[in-house]
Amino acid sequence: GENVEQHPSTLSVQEGDSAVIKCTYSDSASNYFPWYKQELGKGPQLIIDIRSNVGEKKDQRIAVTLNKTAKHFSLHITETQPEDSAVYFCAASRAGGADGLTFGKGTHLIIQP
Amino acid sequence: DVKVTQSSRYLVKRTGEKVFLECVQDMDHENMFWYRQDPGLGLRLIYFSYDVKMKEKGDIPEGYSVSREKKERFSLILESASTNQTSMYLCASRTQRGRNEQYFGPGTRLTVT
Repeated sequence: GENVEQHPSTLSVQEGDSAVIKCTYSDSASNYFPWYKQELGKGPQLIIDIRSNVGEKKDQRIAVTLNKTAKHFSLHITETQPEDSAVYFCAASRAGGADGLTFGKGTHLIIQP
Repeated sequence: DVKVTQSSRYLVKRTGEKVFLECVQDMDHENMFWYRQDPGLGLRLIYFSYDVKMKEKGDIPEGYSVSREKKERFSLILESASTNQTSMYLCASRTQRGRNEQYFGPGTRLTVT
């Protein structure tokens, strides 16, 4: 089955700086790669996703890049703000998520004022 | 707005009890999922359902069963709860029409003593 590795497990950045979280996946048939943000006491919420026919996608301060050959994808957050502090999860799936997602172990992002 | 609700936020049960965790979504989604979340392990897929009456095993189905008698409701059943099933349980739903996004509920923190 699919295996997703995520790094780092904790990331501390100064407010205003950029943050990068990296994930690798094992199943070359995976074609859907979402990123979720989880705040304390809440369920995960999708922040951005990318399909395998696209190399990069951007939404305001958030971007995701995908390298299919190397089987890795990354989340980039620019101009970080205090409200970006949360746990972030990457995930991968073969069927657009219809058969469930395989998640990385999560990154705790801390924005230092 | 999509809403996924879970019957309890916190639950304490004794070893050997039969436990029901209920999940309801209000957006007529076909797909529903149960994950468990443990520190350092991320989210792991227990069971999922493509549609009413359908169920498929995920990555860690042992010790669990599910029921989907109505489209909006997906129940997770612990036939005989054990202490290693103490965890956060998250339900999610997804439509097969359009976006791939999985919408998560707030979670149920289950403690088995």
